[in-house]
Amino acid sequence: EPEVTQTPSHQVTQMGQEVILRCVPISNHLYFYWYRQILGQKVEFLVSFYNNEISEKSEIFDDQFSVERPDGSNFTLKIRSTKLEDSAMYFCASRKGEGDSGYTFGSGTRLTVV
Amino acid sequence: AQKVTQAQTEISVVEKEDVTLDCVYETRDTTYYLFWYKQPPSGELVFLIRRNSFDEQNEISGRYSWNFQKSTSSFNFTITASQVVDSAVYFCALSEAWGNNDMRFGAGTRLTVKP
Repeated sequence: EPEVTQTPSHQVTQMGQEVILRCVPISNHLYFYWYRQILGQKVEFLVSFYNNEISEKSEIFDDQFSVERPDGSNFTLKIRSTKLEDSAMYFCASRKGEGDSGYTFGSGTRLTVV
Repeated sequence: AQKVTQAQTEISVVEKEDVTLDCVYETRDTTYYLFWYKQPPSGELVFLIRRNSFDEQNEISGRYSWNFQKSTSSFNFTITASQVVDSAVYFCALSEAWGNNDMRFGAGTRLTVKP
């Protein structure tokens, strides 16, 4: 069964450093998402991406965050200057198309900011 | 606005007991999807079920069953004859059927099944 692949599975970074989280969505999917889960809390929507642009973002997704689809396969989330409170599990997800509810989540990247 | 409420923060049962996890949702959309995910200690989100708003039939999958009632905006999840391996955090989620389809998750219910 097709999978959404996220790398790395765990990343430790120093406060103030830039970090890039990588995702490879399912190849024929058109909609891409990032979600965040702070330890012990619920999963929160960050941003959705379609047709090479952001289609919606939450209030969490401020200027420190950016997303990119640099080639035909990768979908990245960049945090420019990490803060302690950015420590969380970050999930990538993809979906095939309009009206299709078939979300597929990756297994997540646990980001630890020290 | 969409909202999902899981009022039960933690539930503890003894193995072989039945347990029901509650989920109540709010949405203005007439067409939407409801989901349940399991999150084991390893952290990944394990998909359990997807239900669209037009299908109110209850569903059973092995020891798992789901009761969808639009009249009360609820989508409850029952585990029959619980097992220790069922211990996890369970999330209910809602997404609109069209447009952006971002998911709104409930706060989760931590289920502990004791031997």
